[in-house]
Amino acid sequence: EDQVTQSPEALRLQEGESSSLNCSYTVSGLRGLFWYRQDPGKGPEFLFTLYSAGEEKEKERLKATLTKKESFLHITAPKPEDSATYLCAVSDYKLSFGAGTTVTVRA
Amino acid sequence: DAEITQSPRHKITETGRQVTLACHQTWNHNNMFWYRQDLGHGLRLIHYSYGVQDTNKGEVSDGYSVSRSNTEDLPLTLESAASSQTSVYFCASSEEGLDTGELFFGEGSRLTVL
Repeated sequence: EDQVTQSPEALRLQEGESSSLNCSYTVSGLRGLFWYRQDPGKGPEFLFTLYSAGEEKEKERLKATLTKKESFLHITAPKPEDSATYLCAVSDYKLSFGAGTTVTVRA
Repeated sequence: DAEITQSPRHKITETGRQVTLACHQTWNHNNMFWYRQDLGHGLRLIHYSYGVQDTNKGEVSDGYSVSRSNTEDLPLTLESAASSQTSVYFCASSEEGLDTGELFFGEGSRLTVL
């Protein structure tokens, strides 16, 4: 049973077109939720950690939020350099990764 | 700057051969991990180590082994490569344990088993 589900699988955006990615999870005792960015041919790069419902974190055009059952990664006015696969991971007693959302931003 | 390096970056081998993927980190982290990444799946944990001489099985450990003789290195060995082990392999390290999520990843090793 999947513990972490990300949607959509792929997202194509025009430069400046804001959107959100979803990460839903089913772990019972959440210890943390993590967002990573992965560029083609590279390893994932850590972005954010969220620990409790209501928490928000921001970095440049990215903003991550957390509820009791899901997290959103909002991309505001994206640029082509924001194109990447964004991975979500949740932690109870172990770390489980979602399959990712591939974002393509066209100029 | 501290880093984590993997080698080789690309490897093609034949079914039944032994393959070793190297991982070297200069972060001086005690914790090191091996993951595989396949299309449609999240990163899946193969093996991990919390320190020298410590190794533990992850969720997809069958057919793989690791050894930890020093802090910097955690080589991953496929004893008898199978086509199902064709994948991209990532090594990672962290200051904290398995459940903290703040991992530093290498750039990956793409393995093809023919």
